[in-house]
Amino acid sequence: GENVEQHPSTLSVQEGDSAVIKCTYSDSASNYFPWYKQELGKRPQLIIDIRSNVGEKKDQRIAVTLNKTAKHFSLHITETQPEDSAVYFCAASLSNAGKSTFGDGTTLTVKP
Amino acid sequence: DTGVSQNPRHKITKRGQNVTFRCDPISEHNRLYWYRQTLGQGPEFLTYFQNEAQLEKSRLLSDRFSAERPKGSFSTLEIQRTEQGDSAMYLCASSEGQSEVGSGYTFGSGTRLTVV
Repeated sequence: GENVEQHPSTLSVQEGDSAVIKCTYSDSASNYFPWYKQELGKRPQLIIDIRSNVGEKKDQRIAVTLNKTAKHFSLHITETQPEDSAVYFCAASLSNAGKSTFGDGTTLTVKP
Repeated sequence: DTGVSQNPRHKITKRGQNVTFRCDPISEHNRLYWYRQTLGQGPEFLTYFQNEAQLEKSRLLSDRFSAERPKGSFSTLEIQRTEQGDSAMYLCASSEGQSEVGSGYTFGSGTRLTVV
């Protein structure tokens, strides 16, 4: 089955700096890659996703890049703010499979 | 409220007892998923439904776990003869399922199970 590895497990940055979280996946058939943000005690929320027919997608301060050949994808957050502090999860899905396989998460701390 | 609703929010049970959780998905979503999350880990897949059909169940699940989605609406997850290792947050999620490519989930707030 699919295996998703996520790095780093913790990341601390100064407010205004950029943050990058990286994930690798094992199954080359995976074609959908969502990212979720989970604040303490709350539910995971979808923040951005990318499909395998594109290499990059942006939404304001966040962007995701995908390298299908290397089987890795990354989340980029620019101009970080304290409210960006949370646990971020990447995931990978197969077409028609429904289920997503999640990474173990990255705890991002943005210091004011 | 048009989000995913889960009940109860918290459940404390004695080892060996049975528990049942309920999930009400977004009404327009035909896919419903159950995941389990423990501290410091990502959500772990348990099972998923497309409408009323249970399409996949994790091989990690023992026979003590069962899920249903009658009529393709709400779903229940039952754990029989609970063990301390079952203590976790049980998350339900729903998504649209019309395209061949996956789609993002809307998660519920989860049910936190503590087995004592």
